[in-house]
Amino acid sequence: QFALTQPASVAGSPGQSITISCTGTNSDFGSTHFVAWYQRRPGEGPRLIIYDVRSRPLGVSDRFSGSRSGNTASLTISGLQSDDEGQYYCSSYTATHGPFFGGGTRLTVL
Amino acid sequence: QVQLVESGGGVVQPGQSLRLSCSVSGFTFSSADLHWVRQSPGKGLEWLSFISDDGKIQYYADSVKGRFTISRDNSKRILALQMDGLKSDDSGVYFCARGHSELPLSYFDYGGRGSLVTVSS
Repeated sequence: QFALTQPASVAGSPGQSITISCTGTNSDFGSTHFVAWYQRRPGEGPRLIIYDVRSRPLGVSDRFSGSRSGNTASLTISGLQSDDEGQYYCSSYTATHGPFFGGGTRLTVL
Repeated sequence: QVQLVESGGGVVQPGQSLRLSCSVSGFTFSSADLHWVRQSPGKGLEWLSFISDDGKIQYYADSVKGRFTISRDNSKRILALQMDGLKSDDSGVYFCARGHSELPLSYFDYGGRGSLVTVSS
């Protein structure tokens, strides 16, 4: 298992785009297809918004997109809206340890 | 609308037991693989356990293996987590989550709001 590091917070204004990074501590993160992003808005349970690096579940807005370069995965939110505020977690998976998560990034819409 | 609601949290002393339950709506319970995940201040999100739709397959994180037991009753649409030998490190908000339809072991798509467990003397 490797650790996933995210920035503690990011902020943006309505309509802008923001990117949240997630860096894995070893090169395995650069090759696994198990990369996901979860959104947790205040008062709600977590929701999957990106899986398999860049796939979006049905019903998730195309304003959310995932990518990866080397050992760093990224979540980009375009056209920022006030209800995008909340915590965002990256996640990966190994058969040995199951799912595991980054520390989370708090998104503030100014 | 997919909903998962946890119950059973509370304050217990180290070494004691607690049983959490999760009730669901908005999807076919007996067809869904399910997880328990917790969020604690010191560790962030931590996956705890998985159970297959028929209850025959269970997996546990090393941190809870041998102390926690996941189970489900498909006739009652209830998921449970029996937690024995609780430690202070087990404190946190516990939530249940539905496994993703294509990759249920790797991802979950919806989680509940959680139930708070505090282990303190």
